[in-house]
Amino acid sequence: NAGVTQTPKFQVLKTGQSMTLQCAQDMNHNSMYWYRQDPGMGLRLIYYSASEGTTDKGEVPNGYNVSRLNKREFSLRLESAAPSQTSVYFCASSEAGQARTEAFFGQGTRLTVV
Amino acid sequence: AQTVTQSQPEMSVQEAETVTLSCTYDTSESDYYLFWYKQPPSRQMILVIRQEAYKQQNATENRFSVNFQKAAKSFSLKISDSQLGDAAMYFCAYRRKAGNMLTFGGGTRLMVKP
Repeated sequence: NAGVTQTPKFQVLKTGQSMTLQCAQDMNHNSMYWYRQDPGMGLRLIYYSASEGTTDKGEVPNGYNVSRLNKREFSLRLESAAPSQTSVYFCASSEAGQARTEAFFGQGTRLTVV
Repeated sequence: AQTVTQSQPEMSVQEAETVTLSCTYDTSESDYYLFWYKQPPSRQMILVIRQEAYKQQNATENRFSVNFQKAAKSFSLKISDSQLGDAAMYFCAYRRKAGNMLTFGGGTRLMVKP
């Protein structure tokens, strides 16, 4: 009964370091998303993947890259971390084309860039 | 582009009382979905209630109900008989009918006083 699993849960990076956030879902969903959460701004979409093999930019894509490795996995990469990328990151998934679909979220990754 | 606004950064309510959280949104679409998500200190995003825009009847889930005013583009959440476990961040979110991505408001932190 895992749902959406994100790793790691916490991470501290130095400015300029790179890292990849991993996300996997076991609900056979077509669509997956990466959001960032900052105080007072809610969750903002970084990138999404409507289906396996496709990715598209969201509202705040600069400084990030993504890979939809297969239907289950969608990773987010920071090539050169900056303090402005300090945030809580959420991965989510949903079933495409379903009228009542809701998004299911992972537990989040708290990233601090110093 | 759609926008979602939550004008109350913080709210407090006495245990067993009723509280209403406000949400307004802006869209040119006529058919869409609205959601309220709860985020407790664990960071987990939990769907509280959803509303389909073409349905005039307000959605209800146990102690949670919405007041959906389509013409006014307003979607408020009412929590009745508030419990200590209701203390959390609450996010209002919008989704186009044809899309999968959620647009979130900035959130309202609800405190419940014993």
